[in-house]
Amino acid sequence: QVQLQESGPGLVKPSQTLSLTCTVSGGSISSGDYYWSWIRQPPGKGLEWIGYIYYSGSTYYNPSLKSRVTISVDTSKNQFSLKLSSVTAADTAVYYCARGADYFDYWGQGTLVTVSS
Amino acid sequence: QSALTQPASVSGSPGQSITISCTGTSSDVGGYNYVSWYQQHPGKAPKLMIYEVSNRPSGVPDRFSGSKSGNTASLTISGLQAEDEADYYCSSYTSSVVFGGGTKLTVL
Repeated sequence: QVQLQESGPGLVKPSQTLSLTCTVSGGSISSGDYYWSWIRQPPGKGLEWIGYIYYSGSTYYNPSLKSRVTISVDTSKNQFSLKLSSVTAADTAVYYCARGADYFDYWGQGTLVTVSS
Repeated sequence: QSALTQPASVSGSPGQSITISCTGTSSDVGGYNYVSWYQQHPGKAPKLMIYEVSNRPSGVPDRFSGSKSGNTASLTISGLQAEDEADYYCSSYTSSVVFGGGTKLTVL
């Protein structure tokens, strides 16, 4: 059974960089069978796709966030990570990692990141 | 890249059927068979209910079905049950990903 778990700071100051890691268990990122994605959900609002990465390191980002987003992968640790720079209050959200791109069949439980001074 | 259009809310009584629409364009929903649907209960992560327009993952009841006509995809839930009350989101993949705004389903 594949499981994903997000980790990282729950509070980030405005203008700083948000950093999260997703640890995958029960399956190997290196298998190359799937893309691995980040999705967020502001409180009380809908889902927004951030981007995805392949085990090789190739990425695809949401055009609206592309200038601020970096997604990377560490196959040795079976993890992939998200960095979002120059954050504002509008980036406050529950951040999910998920398996897939054409559809998302496994999700992490989500982690709330609040942007506030 | 605009969000897909879903009704804000739908409702139905137990045992009835409801349909949630998801409207895009010929560049996303209409052009590819990569439409998926997710169910989200409060405080929980979304759960995949339908993928590639009409396929159900293992474990999802056959009361849930998906279809597509032109630029509009639909999720139908038959035999509504109390536990179906949740938010539902559609998504389209075209190498980029876009979600619908979400639909709140109320079971009366």
